[in-house]
Amino acid sequence: NAGVTQTPKFHILKIGQSMTLQCTQDMNHNYMYWYRQDPGMGLKLIYYSVGAGITDKGEVPNGYNVSRSTTEDFPLRLELAAPSQTSVYFCASRTGTGGLDEQFFGPGTRLTVL
Amino acid sequence: GENVEQHPSTLSVQEGDSAVIKCTYSDSASNYFPWYKQELGKGPQLIIDIRSNVGEKKDQRIAVTLNKTAKHFSLHITETQPEDSAVYFCAASHGSGNTGKLIFGQGTTLQVKP
Repeated sequence: NAGVTQTPKFHILKIGQSMTLQCTQDMNHNYMYWYRQDPGMGLKLIYYSVGAGITDKGEVPNGYNVSRSTTEDFPLRLELAAPSQTSVYFCASRTGTGGLDEQFFGPGTRLTVL
Repeated sequence: GENVEQHPSTLSVQEGDSAVIKCTYSDSASNYFPWYKQELGKGPQLIIDIRSNVGEKKDQRIAVTLNKTAKHFSLHITETQPEDSAVYFCAASHGSGNTGKLIFGQGTTLQVKP
């Protein structure tokens, strides 16, 4: 199993541009999450999904959108990028069944908005 | 909403010494408390977790203690080794049967000096 994969690894975006961060998991997990990590601030939840077709906001959803059309994929869309969205973005997945709560994280996408 | 405070932000120990990282949480309904280790350039990885019906859990050199009354939990690493150097995050969640949303602490950078 590849686990959780994210693309791209790095990206530089201009202010006002849009882009989609890709996330795929091959563990057939129901739950998927997007976090952003800023220096010294820990990880903040942006959006999450409890299954295909169902998404909900986390702590810091403004400026982002998500979709979950399949179990495997959970893309994060940035519209009208702003410098405040410069961060490292992590996608994670979790089975949530059988008492298993571990979240498996991808390697992250480092995004710079200039 | 839930808030998780983590201390210290940085910790430097000599190889072989013990390291202790402490976290407090605000939501008394939280019942799942994982600890993640993040190595440079990688995503966080679960190292140990504890549920609210247990006071202590051990896995080789790593242990976690939970005090539900005081709403705090701690990570203990004994006989530290240079490969323990990383950023450690605590988190709190409502756990199984729920969305599994994690609220993270701010992180502790542990440096183990040879």
